[in-house]
Amino acid sequence: DTAVSQTPKYLVTQMGNDKSIKCEQNLGHDTMYWYKQDSKKFLKIMFSYNNKELIINETVPNRFSPKSPDKAHLNLHINSLELGDSAVYFCASRGGGQSGELFFGEGSRLTVL
Amino acid sequence: AQSVTQLGSHVSVSEGALVLLRCNYSSSVPPYLFWYVQYPNQGLQLLLKYTSAATLVKGINGFEAEFKKSETSFHLTKPSAHMSDAAEYFCAVSDHAGANNLFFGTGTRLTVIP
Repeated sequence: DTAVSQTPKYLVTQMGNDKSIKCEQNLGHDTMYWYKQDSKKFLKIMFSYNNKELIINETVPNRFSPKSPDKAHLNLHINSLELGDSAVYFCASRGGGQSGELFFGEGSRLTVL
Repeated sequence: AQSVTQLGSHVSVSEGALVLLRCNYSSSVPPYLFWYVQYPNQGLQLLLKYTSAATLVKGINGFEAEFKKSETSFHLTKPSAHMSDAAEYFCAVSDHAGANNLFFGTGTRLTVIP
């Protein structure tokens, strides 16, 4: 079973549309994240949730809205898509204790035309 | 605040040669340091991590890294490169194991020449 799974893996859409990316983790972790990776491979954190509560909300447009229905899921909804939103979006989760590392999904490549 | 700097966005080595990918960190407290690898069209996978135990850390696929506090470095090495090592490598830092955020470097693309 995939530990952190994201759907869809690829998403092509027109400017102005609204789209969602879903993420689920089966690791029993309390903390989940969304990262954006641009065309230069730079990874930037967008949001982090701990047990369904928002704990990190970096400077991203309010067109991006995360939702965590339970601690195993963290979805990302994007309104009014723009060309600059084209990127690969990664979901990740982290366990507690002394582990510290993030477990990443395989990414969702969003292309806005 | 924590940050990492990866020197060299691209590194090319011949198959069988030593791999050395550089990472320097900035942290006001003893850091936790990580190396991740990203193969094409995949997510990031943990190679190894330093969490204040042994300064020489061994990871998967024959990689290792040495924490040097005096140099604020955590360089990644592998004695002999394989073609399968071609990927993007990211160094990351946090201020403790339970930190809410990892700060990633800009990545180094490793090319292995046959």
